[in-house]
Amino acid sequence: DGGITQSPKYLFRKEGQNVTLSCEQNLNHDAMYWYRQDPGQGLRLIYYSQIVNDFQKGDIAEGYSVSREKKESFPLTVTSAQKNPTAFYLCASSMAGGLYNEQFFGPGTRLTVL
Amino acid sequence: AQKVTQAQTEISVVEKEDVTLDCVYETRDTTYYLFWYKQPPSGELVFLIRRNSFDEQNEISGRYSWNFQKSTSSFNFTITASQVVDSAVYFCALSEAQVDNDMRFGAGTRLTVKP
Repeated sequence: DGGITQSPKYLFRKEGQNVTLSCEQNLNHDAMYWYRQDPGQGLRLIYYSQIVNDFQKGDIAEGYSVSREKKESFPLTVTSAQKNPTAFYLCASSMAGGLYNEQFFGPGTRLTVL
Repeated sequence: AQKVTQAQTEISVVEKEDVTLDCVYETRDTTYYLFWYKQPPSGELVFLIRRNSFDEQNEISGRYSWNFQKSTSSFNFTITASQVVDSAVYFCALSEAQVDNDMRFGAGTRLTVKP
C-alpha cells in the first residue's frame, strides 16, 4: 500500500538528548513536510523540502534540523536546543512543491521529554 | 501575516443533526488557497478539500459541503445528517501563493457526534 510511515509512534527522550524522527513515503512525491502539533492547537510548519537535497525553514525551525538525501525519506532531528520539544509530530508529502497542494499525512510520532 | 480562526473549540451534536464548522481567515494576498483537513483519533490528517481564491463556487461532496465567501473571508464546512464516524478534529488551513514557506492552520474544532 502506498503511504507515509513514521516511526516510532511513541518516543521518550531525556532532556539534553538529540532524537531523530523517521518519515518515509512510497508515493513518489517530490515534496515533504514536518509539522508540530501541541494540544488544542493547529499544526505549525517546522521544515519542508520540495526536492532532494533542498529544504526550507518553516515557522518554527529553531531547535530542529532535517536532511533530504533521498526522495523517499525526510528525517527530523529534534536537538537539545529545542526548549519545549514535547509534542505530536506529523510528517506529510505532496506531489509537487508548494504549500498550496494537497498533502498526505503520516500517523505521527508523539515525543515526550522526561 | 496570514491567520486562520476557528472560533468553535468543541461542538457536540446528536447523530443525524446538521452541523457547520466555521473558518475565518486573514490574508493580504490576492492568490491563496484554503483547505479543510480531518484528524480522526488515529492522529493522521485526512485531506477533505482545497479551494483557491478565484473559485468561490460552493462545493458539495456527499454529506459534506463548503461555503466560500470572500466578502466575509470565510470558508465554512457543513456536515449534513452527521454520523458517529464524523467525530474528529477538523482543521481549516490557509496557504498564500506569495509566501511559499508557510501554511497556517486554525486551532481546530473538535466535533463529537453522539449516537
